[in-house]
Amino acid sequence: EDQVTQSPEALRLQEGESSSLNCSYTVSGLRGLFWYRQDPGKGPEFLFTLYSAGEEKEKERLKATLTKKESFLHITAPKPEDSATYLCAVQAVDSNYQLIWGAGTKLIIKP
Amino acid sequence: DAGITQSPRHKVTETGTPVTLRCHQTENHRYMYWYRQDPGHGLRLIHYSYGVKDTDKGEVSDGYSVSRSKTEDFLLTLESATSSQTSVYFCAISDMAGEDTQYFGPGTRLTVL
Repeated sequence: EDQVTQSPEALRLQEGESSSLNCSYTVSGLRGLFWYRQDPGKGPEFLFTLYSAGEEKEKERLKATLTKKESFLHITAPKPEDSATYLCAVQAVDSNYQLIWGAGTKLIIKP
Repeated sequence: DAGITQSPRHKVTETGTPVTLRCHQTENHRYMYWYRQDPGHGLRLIHYSYGVKDTDKGEVSDGYSVSRSKTEDFLLTLESATSSQTSVYFCAISDMAGEDTQYFGPGTRLTVL
């Protein structure tokens, strides 16, 4: 069964304290892996798409990486405005284009 | 934000009543999706559409129906709402299936008493 697991469920950091969020997945074949950010009371906002192991993408303080079993979202020197829930989703090659979503990691950055 | 609106944004209804949620897009994207989001769960796909009058079921379609008579509008109907359908509902759009980015609307919070 295709599955996506995100860890930790919640992460509290001090401003400037770098860390990583994990998204591990089990699919028969990966078509793509997606990262989104979701603020309270809002819809998910697209961040990155990764397609193959070894691929990396960056946006401001965020960098996403991909291996054959997991993806990491690295946050460097975070600021309070980076506080949000980060969602990971994968699409399998035999999924009829449907995305399988993780439950998310709630990130809190304290000033 | 992508041009996606959802209405209503909040709704409280009673068990057994019909409810229709609307998603409207101004991007002329071909694909539209309805998801529900519940605490402790990832987003779960209810139904999706790949064109006018072309729809298909998702992971959790029981109790829901959809219609798409125009490119810009995708309606989600709960024929007889139940308390288990209390959730936040999100509409998403994409220009292509799968690999193309899905853009989300602001969501509708539905409470079924």
